[in-house]
Amino acid sequence: QSMLTQPPSVSGAPGQRVTISCTGSSSNIGADFDVHWYQQLPGTAPKLLISGNNNRPSGVPDRFSGSKSGTSASLAISGLQADDEADYYCQSYDRSLSGWVFGGGTKLTVL
Amino acid sequence: DVQLVESGGGLVQPGGSLRLSCAASGFTFSSFGMNWVRQAPGKGLEWVSYISTLGATINYAESVKGRFTISRGNAKNSLYLQMNSLRDEDTAVYYCAREGYVGEADYWGQGTLVTVSS
Repeated sequence: QSMLTQPPSVSGAPGQRVTISCTGSSSNIGADFDVHWYQQLPGTAPKLLISGNNNRPSGVPDRFSGSKSGTSASLAISGLQADDEADYYCQSYDRSLSGWVFGGGTKLTVL
Repeated sequence: DVQLVESGGGLVQPGGSLRLSCAASGFTFSSFGMNWVRQAPGKGLEWVSYISTLGATINYAESVKGRFTISRGNAKNSLYLQMNSLRDEDTAVYYCAREGYVGEADYWGQGTLVTVSS
C-alpha cells in the first residue's frame, strides 16, 4: 500500500485550475524530504513534472506548480488543457523504508 | 540525450527467475544512483530497489527483499535486476530510473513487462 495518500481522481473544465494533494507522514514529507511530481500519459513511462517541491524541469509549462507544507504537498495545474488528461503521482523519500515512496496516483479528467 | 533502455522481460512461471537489464547512454552513468520502479497492470508506481554510484549502498522494498538483487556495471553503463522466486504479484512493467540531484527520478526508461503466470 502507498505511504503517500492522493485522491483517486480530480476533474475540471478546460481553462480551470485544479489541485492534487499528497499527504505523507513524519518519516517522509514531514521529515523534510523533497516532494516530486510525475505525469503519466496512457501507455507511456512517467515523466518528471516538478522536482524539489516546486521546480519545473526545462520544457514543463509554468501552468504546473508545486508546493509543500508540513506533511503534505500539492500540485496545481492552471489553464487546464485536454492533453493534461493523465495520471499524476507524487514521490518522496521515506527514512523507514530507506527508499522512494509514491502516492497511489490521481487520474485527472478534463471535462 | 539521456536514454535508458530496459530489456529482459517476458513470461515466466511462478518460482522462476528472470534478469532485467537497463542500458544507459547520454550521461556519465557512474555518477548517478539508479533505481528500479514497477507498475502492476492498472495500478500505481511501486519503488523496488536502489543502488548507489559505486554499488556501496543498496536498498530493497520489503516485498522483494531476499528474492531480488540489484547490481550495476559501470564499465558497461548498465543496471541489472536479478529476480528469483517470482510470484504472481511480481507481474508488472519494470522501469529503470535515474536518481537526480534532489532525490527525484529525472529520467525513466520505456519499461519492460514481466508476466508471472503458469
